[in-house]
Amino acid sequence: AQKITQTQPGMFVQEKEAVTLDCTYDTSDPSYGLFWYKQPSSGEMIFLIYQGSYDQQNATEGRYSLNFQKARKSANLVISASQLGDSAMYFCAMREWNQFYFGTGTSLTVIP
Amino acid sequence: NAGVTQTPKFQVLKTGQSMTLQCAQDMNHEYMSWYRQDPGMGLRLIHYSVGAGITDQGEVPNGYNVSRSTTEDFPLRLLSAAPSQTSVYFCASRTAPGTDTQYFGPGTRLTVL
Repeated sequence: AQKITQTQPGMFVQEKEAVTLDCTYDTSDPSYGLFWYKQPSSGEMIFLIYQGSYDQQNATEGRYSLNFQKARKSANLVISASQLGDSAMYFCAMREWNQFYFGTGTSLTVIP
Repeated sequence: NAGVTQTPKFQVLKTGQSMTLQCAQDMNHEYMSWYRQDPGMGLRLIHYSVGAGITDQGEVPNGYNVSRSTTEDFPLRLLSAAPSQTSVYFCASRTAPGTDTQYFGPGTRLTVL
């Protein structure tokens, strides 16, 4: 079974609107971590947000929030007030024990 | 701090050649790792290390060797390059198990002909 599943290969959003990128995960580690990374066309991996499995509240970092639903094993990324600079690939990732697993990514395009 | 640095940025090899991808970090991070990124596949873990002298295999270790003689450096060796190893390689580091944020290097684009 896939450890991380991102079912949206591509998404479009109007500038200034909010968008949700989906991520589901599968793990038997009770103490896991969930992440989102942004990869612009220049290729670098930029850390956006982190959620620990024991964190009670959803993580937020500026315009990014992680909608953590533990029972459903989902960790969706919400970007509010989209900007043109948000156009990029977005990867969901999970730390299980000492290993990290990444999803196949979602390509987000922000339309002016 | 330079963060995580990788050299070279680009490399072209012929099948059967060997080479070492260099990775260094100046943040005194204990945990370092190597990933490869192929189109449509996301990043996959090759090898990782939780400290000097300690390495372990990730999801796709075959064809690659690593060693960790210092905290700062974590080189990745391709002993006999194959076209299937054409990929973008990323090195990453984080402080220790239990603290999860990884910092990535800029990547090395490797082509094996």
